[in-house]
Amino acid sequence: DTGVSQDPRHKITKRGQNVTFRCDPISEHNRLYWYRQTLGQGPEFLTYFQNEAQLEKSRLLSDRFSAERPKGSFSTLEIQRTEQGDSAMYLCAILAGRSGANVLTFGAGSRLTVL
Amino acid sequence: SQKIEQNSEALNIQEGKTATLTCNYTNYSPAYLQWYRQDPGRGPVFLLLIRENEKEKRKERLKVTFDTTLKQSLFHITASQPADSATYLCALDGETGNYGQNFVFGPGTRLSVLP
Repeated sequence: DTGVSQDPRHKITKRGQNVTFRCDPISEHNRLYWYRQTLGQGPEFLTYFQNEAQLEKSRLLSDRFSAERPKGSFSTLEIQRTEQGDSAMYLCAILAGRSGANVLTFGAGSRLTVL
Repeated sequence: SQKIEQNSEALNIQEGKTATLTCNYTNYSPAYLQWYRQDPGRGPVFLLLIRENEKEKRKERLKVTFDTTLKQSLFHITASQPADSATYLCALDGETGNYGQNFVFGPGTRLSVLP
């Protein structure tokens, strides 16, 4: 258990459907990140929250993507009108202090397959 | 533009040997560099970080070096074991540009330790 729970772990959907992923940090953390990872690549930044405020969004985050963190605890990532190119692992991470610096603690991820 | 490269997509070594993985970056001035391990179907897990003013860091069988002149970090696993087989990712922090305090990951190197 990493302290970050993601749900669902796997999602298979048809093109054009909407999907929503949820991220639940076990304890309160100010900063929460969403990353996307495709096969053979490293995680790519999508967006991050400082408490409930969404401070930055990557250019990867098209208008079909929306993320929320309504109470500064859990977060959701919704993809509308899914496309096959959205197939990836969606990773949530919190920022934690280690060795006097900040490091990311990731959840296990939500794998999306768009048919 | 900012770029991170890791020496090879895959690396096979014999059990007991030392594995050496390389991370090169351009157009960064990171405050520190981090290494993560990722197992299939799981999120990355933090291993080690090294600051820009540190030359070397060790943790058990792991050793990381950081050369800010060459813009390169080397990650060594000594006395490698089959259980070390995983993908290893380097990540940079310290940029306060577009993403504030964000982390940018390399593509990863998939290490296979053969018995």
